[in-house]
Amino acid sequence: AIQLTQSPSSLSASVGDRVTITCRASQGISSALAWYQHKPGKAPKLLIYDASTLESGVPSRFSGSGSGTDFTLTISSLQPEDFATYFCQQFDYYPCTFGQGTRLEIK
Amino acid sequence: QVQLQESGPGLVKPSETLSLTCTVSGDSLSSYYWGWIRQPPGKGLEWIGYISYSGNTNYNPSLKSRVTISVDTSKNQYSLKLRSVTAADTAVYYCAREVHRSGYFLWYFDNWGQGTLVTVSS
Repeated sequence: AIQLTQSPSSLSASVGDRVTITCRASQGISSALAWYQHKPGKAPKLLIYDASTLESGVPSRFSGSGSGTDFTLTISSLQPEDFATYFCQQFDYYPCTFGQGTRLEIK
Repeated sequence: QVQLQESGPGLVKPSETLSLTCTVSGDSLSSYYWGWIRQPPGKGLEWIGYISYSGNTNYNPSLKSRVTISVDTSKNQYSLKLRSVTAADTAVYYCAREVHRSGYFLWYFDNWGQGTLVTVSS
């Protein structure tokens, strides 16, 4: 199965900061990658699919890029509601698989 | 707005069957694909399987021998059964709507439930 490695595993940042999270695939997966946000006790939320397509209703401060094996999720200016865990998912090789997650904490 | 809610026992004994139900509101099970995903404590997420609007199922090969997913369209619910559980099956279980598109082999998940913790212990 395709392994997705996220880095960093945790990150401390301040409101207003620009933050980048990386997801690396063990094999090339074209652009078949999604990003999700997960807050404790809440349903995970789809942010981005096809590596860079913003899901409807997601603020434009979120963006995704990359193809092949290296992908990034960028939050251009952190807001208080953005502190959460973020994880990636590939949907190019069966079965679909997920990254381990990146926990974004308030500095 | 689609909402999904998992329900079922929070504690299951080893060797028994884990049974969960996902109740969907705001959409019909007669469209889309409907999946189950789990996350063991301290580990990453694992896709378990799905059932389609036509009743077709697809299971992760790692769990295929123990999993059954079924649907009750009259109640707008679908269910997961995982047989012969062990402590390794302790996890938060999520139900989620899957997005399958023509031209793409696999899928992503556009709506999730908040998850339910199932502990396997005697």
